[in-house]
Amino acid sequence: AQKITQTQPGMFVQEKEAVTLDCTYDTSDQSYGLFWYKQPSSGEMIFLIYQGSYDEQNATEGRYSLNFQKARKSANLVISASQLGDSAMYFCAMRGRNFNKFYFGSGTKLNVKP
Amino acid sequence: EAEVAQSPRYKITEKSQAVAFWCDPISGHATLYWYRQILGQGPELLVQFQDESVVDDSQLPKDRFSAERLKGVDSTLKIQPAELGDSAMYLCASSLAGGQGNEQFFGPGTRLTVL
Repeated sequence: AQKITQTQPGMFVQEKEAVTLDCTYDTSDQSYGLFWYKQPSSGEMIFLIYQGSYDEQNATEGRYSLNFQKARKSANLVISASQLGDSAMYFCAMRGRNFNKFYFGSGTKLNVKP
Repeated sequence: EAEVAQSPRYKITEKSQAVAFWCDPISGHATLYWYRQILGQGPELLVQFQDESVVDDSQLPKDRFSAERLKGVDSTLKIQPAELGDSAMYLCASSLAGGQGNEQFFGPGTRLTVL
């Protein structure tokens, strides 16, 4: 069975500091993709970063990086130099081989304090 | 920039009424998804289309929900009759078919309130 687990319902971080949002996954697929999405209070889902299961390097996109540890089945999102606009819900998702279905975690609500 | 379009953005209805949501995916995206999201939770897949075919509707409450994508392009999700527990955000997303690297692109969602 495919499953995404986000164990941090809420997180606080001081502006300009780095923060790590945890994500672990369970899959029997050999090939899969891992994604992080941001959802501000307005409701839209914004794609942030992608990591393929065969990628040897950790993905980076600007201030976002993905700490991928395949053996531990974890795909943590690291946000460097947090900004007030980073306050939002963050969802980890996985895309498996089964008709490209996406599986979402329950999300982490990040609050950036000034 | 290409976007997923959804309408309406907001819908208020009374229970037992019928409601319908529309989604137009990004051109060329063969896979279309409808999700329901309760406030504070992750999206829950209701139905997934590959072109005009349903590939997963295992979580769709088929006694009241229906979805179609007749020409493999835009899609409609219907609820009849609506119940109080259907109040949620309904998100439509699309992606290219094939390849684990193809991310989903989401529309702005329809926020449904059932009174």
